[in-house]
Amino acid sequence: ETGVTQTPRHLVMGMTNKKSLKCEQHLGHNAMYWYKQSAKKPLELMFVYSLEERVENNSVPSRFSPECPNSSHLFLHLHTLQPEDSALYLCASSLRTGGGTDTQYFGPGTRLTVL
Amino acid sequence: TQLLEQSPQFLSIQEGENLTVYCNSSSVFSSLQWYRQEPGEGPVLLVTVVTGGEVKKLKRLTFQFGDARKDSSLHITAAQTGDTGLYLCASRNTGGFKTIFGAGTRLFVKA
Repeated sequence: ETGVTQTPRHLVMGMTNKKSLKCEQHLGHNAMYWYKQSAKKPLELMFVYSLEERVENNSVPSRFSPECPNSSHLFLHLHTLQPEDSALYLCASSLRTGGGTDTQYFGPGTRLTVL
Repeated sequence: TQLLEQSPQFLSIQEGENLTVYCNSSSVFSSLQWYRQEPGEGPVLLVTVVTGGEVKKLKRLTFQFGDARKDSSLHITAAQTGDTGLYLCASRNTGGFKTIFGAGTRLFVKA
């Protein structure tokens, strides 16, 4: 089983839909992350969970709702999104709970398009 | 807020050429990481540098951390088509979770 998996890989949704993105890590890591990657913009950190507790919420609109039921799984629940939310959503995990040299392992991402 | 500026934004070269891409900040880095992201995939860590003046080599890739720890460079020797991708630099505050990424250099190596 590869390290960090994300489903679905592609998602098209309308502005009134509710959908969820799923991330799973098989590395025994303690921390999990959601990032947003838009064209020509740097990766933006959205949320961080450490030992299943949210430790970082980077001023993300409430239409994005994360959930971390255990240290291996991370969800991002989406509702009433806007077209500008279309982006690649990346999940990552790391072993240690923070630190400058802590290595993050990324999943392949979910390409989200909001119509 | 620390910002990481990467240059150039885009680079298209022939196979066999050498290239250098840069990552700069007005602030001092506690450490700096370089990632490569291929189309349809997430970023993959290439190297972490922590000491000012440090040089690390990974096959044809040479990473350098500036003496003042405000800048870094990635040099690729004899580029190959497999080097095509988005090269990202990133920095994280010591003891924290928040990683700041640059916007990246998109490299295209033509056969």
